[in-house]
Amino acid sequence: KAGVTQTPRYLIKTRGQQVTLSCSPISGHRSVSWYQQTPGQGLQFLFEYFSETQRNKGNFPGRFSGRQFSNSRSEMNVSTLELGDSALYLCASSPGQGGSLLGYTFGSGTRLTVV
Amino acid sequence: SQQGEEDPQALSIQEGENATMNCSYKTSINNLQWYRQNSGRGLVHLILIRSNEREKHSGRLRVTLDTSKKSSSLLITASRAADTASYFCATADNQAGTALIFGKGTTLSVSS
Repeated sequence: KAGVTQTPRYLIKTRGQQVTLSCSPISGHRSVSWYQQTPGQGLQFLFEYFSETQRNKGNFPGRFSGRQFSNSRSEMNVSTLELGDSALYLCASSPGQGGSLLGYTFGSGTRLTVV
Repeated sequence: SQQGEEDPQALSIQEGENATMNCSYKTSINNLQWYRQNSGRGLVHLILIRSNEREKHSGRLRVTLDTSKKSSSLLITASRAADTASYFCATADNQAGTALIFGKGTTLSVSS
């Protein structure tokens, strides 16, 4: 079966712009989580969605938001981009709520560069 | 915030040798997971060990968990060049919907 699909793979944006990243989980998986990975901070949790509801949110400013659709696909949005938002954004899916209890399947990530 | 701390940060070995990576964490957990990441791509789930388990095997991988010491180790036996990657431990507490917290990883380099 198809894995977790993230689009786009690479993105270059200018400071102040906004960006939307997309994630399609494995078919049948209803939980989607997002992580930001940077060399300095490592992997940091952004948010988790299950059944179109945000179930948990990490310690990120309100510029970071997300949503999940009825088909479990998820998008995350970053507004007013800053240089420090440059990172690899990873999406992970899990069959049910509580992906941390079951293990995740990750996508290949979206590499965002803010210039 | 980081929960797990891997040790060493970097490890270089020859093909055929065993590689051992350690992870320490701070709070009580439901489970501990190990992931592999190749060259800044997505993470691959390797193994999940629950808090009531002490050891788990998967192919060439052996994971141990010592909840009294809040530590885990990942052993890769008979390493191959293809094992070259970063390895991360991640911990989950007991509540559904809580985040998986990752350590900063161990970079393993296996040379032929």
